[in-house]
Order: sequence, then C-alpha cells, then structure tokens
Amino acid sequence: DAGVIQSPRHEVTEMGQEVTLRCKPISGHNSLFWYRQTMMRGLELLIYFNNNVPIDDSGMPEDRFSAKMPNASFSTLKIQPSEPRDSAVYFCASSLKWPSNQPQHFGDGTRLSIL
Amino acid sequence: AQSVTQPDIHITVSEGASLELRCNYSYGATPYLFWYVQSPGQGLQLLLKYFSGDTLVQGIKGFEAEFKRSQSSFNLRKPSVHWSDAAEYFCAAITGTASKLTFGTGTRLQVTL
Repeated sequence: DAGVIQSPRHEVTEMGQEVTLRCKPISGHNSLFWYRQTMMRGLELLIYFNNNVPIDDSGMPEDRFSAKMPNASFSTLKIQPSEPRDSAVYFCASSLKWPSNQPQHFGDGTRLSIL
Repeated sequence: AQSVTQPDIHITVSEGASLELRCNYSYGATPYLFWYVQSPGQGLQLLLKYFSGDTLVQGIKGFEAEFKRSQSSFNLRKPSVHWSDAAEYFCAAITGTASKLTFGTGTRLQVTL
C-alpha cells in the first residue's frame, strides 16, 4: 500500500528563494498534517487540515509560511522568502480521522537546507 | 499542561538483551497513546497504539507496551533487541478534545554487537 509521499526528499536553496514542499496523503485519509523537525525544537506541528480545510495553523511560524490543500490527494507547504533558520526536516502526515484514536502516518520527509 | 515525558535521552543495550523505554504522560483524562520509531533519514513509523481495553498492547517488530494508569506510564518493551532496532523512539499522546498530537522528546537507542 502506498504511504504518504513527499517531494522532494532533499532541497538546497539560497536564502530569499521560494521553496515549495509537496505531499500526497494516503488515499481515503481525511486529515493531513505538516510538521517541522529540528534538533533544538523537536517535532512541531505547523498546520493541519480536515477534509481539505485548514483547522489549526497556530504552529505556522510567520507569514512567510503558507499551506494549501486544493484537493484530497495533494497539499503544499510554501516558504517565501526562505531564510537559513528555516532549515529543517519537514514531514507530512495523514490520518483517517482527527482528532481520534486513528494514528497519524508519516512520510519520509523533506530535508530542507537554506544557504 | 498536557505533556509527554521520555526521561531517557539515550539508551545503549547489547544485541539480544531486553529493552524498556519509558514514557510518562500528564493529562486529566486517559489519552490515546502511541509509540513511533524513526530510523535515520526516514519518517516516523507507528509501532503500536493504545486507547482502551487490554492494557498490554502488541505492536510490530516484536514490540509491546503496557499502559499503567496508576503510574501515568506507557512503557515500550522488547524481550530481545536486534541491531536493526537502533533508532529514535517517540511516545505521543492526544486526548479526545485536543487537536495536537503531543510528542515526547524521544529516546535514541543504540545497540551494541
């Protein structure tokens, strides 16, 4: 079975450039999450969607970050302009239903380096 | 405040030895509890979950966890560790009214041959 698919796996770009991360959730899952993982702060929830609608974006660090989910099978996380402190691993996860006892299933992440 | 604590940052065990990773939670009600494993360069993989019923939960890769309400704990165990179990392990929890899955800070497991 296909899991959560993220692209690209690695991204290296210069400060000030726009970065777009992509995610395809597991088919049939109604909830999608974007996380950021760093050594200093661990795993942080940035935003989550239910049925393509953003429910909680309180973790989005600032206006430079935006996320969209135009349909049930695709989501993007965009950073514009990017800064070196945005360097991290970004994970997308999906769940059948949230909040619930249904687990979140994670993609392999995008390792982002901003020079 | 709701929280998940993993007291051990780093644990080293010999291959074939038993393993127990600790997880404590602080919630008003019994939360839904999860254990995830993260291998280097990969995402988090679900090992097991608990939300009600039998307090001893079996998971994948030979792992199990026991929920103890009196101790607010959900410790992960494996009777015999394999070198491939070396990874980082995260305990996580959520209550029915919250929207955020709260993760512990993780325990890095090293396995010596």
